[in-house]
Amino acid sequence: KAGVTQTPRYLIKTRGQQVTLSCSPISGHRSVSWYQQTPGQGLQFLFEYFSETQRNKGNFPGRFSGRQFSNSRSEMNVSTLELGDSALYLCASSLAGGGLETQYFGPGTRLLVL
Amino acid sequence: AQTVTQSQPEMSVQEAETVTLSCTYDTSESDYYLFWYKQPPSRQMILVIRQEAYKQQNATENRFSVNFQKAAKSFSLKISDSQLGDAAMYFCAYRSNTNAGKSTFGDGTTLTVKP
Repeated sequence: KAGVTQTPRYLIKTRGQQVTLSCSPISGHRSVSWYQQTPGQGLQFLFEYFSETQRNKGNFPGRFSGRQFSNSRSEMNVSTLELGDSALYLCASSLAGGGLETQYFGPGTRLLVL
Repeated sequence: AQTVTQSQPEMSVQEAETVTLSCTYDTSESDYYLFWYKQPPSRQMILVIRQEAYKQQNATENRFSVNFQKAAKSFSLKISDSQLGDAAMYFCAYRSNTNAGKSTFGDGTTLTVKP
């Protein structure tokens, strides 16, 4: 079974631009969670989608948004990029987002904002 | 809000020896789950071990075991017979049953294994 895939793997943008990152979960998984990983802030939860609905949201500004499609693939969008948005963005999928379920992480998208 | 604290930014261990990584957490919930994840350099994060809060028995997965002290809100990871492949950053994570899609992570502990 294929693992979680994320595209693109690396991205360089300039301040003010917007970016869209994609995450394809493991087949059959309906829950997709997004995290931002930075050296200073560690791993921070962005949001979780289940069956095309945002079920949880972290404490990030409205510039960060996401969506999930009927095939469970998810995208996240960051508008008006800031230097501080430079980070590794990880997505994780699980069957239904249950508490004990294993979350399987993708390799991440490394975003650099210049 | 839940918080997870890993007080050891870096640890090192000699190959074949045992090392313990510390984690404490704070929550007012009673139904939750705790996890240890491993993130090797430039590689994907993978689950090492997990513990249900309602279970008193400590979880064990081969060379990895936890010491779960619910009253003290402590959840340490013991790695026995350390191997070179254990070198990685280890994250402790908390997940509640009511907010299950969200994991709260500690800042991580970088483990070095010396040959």
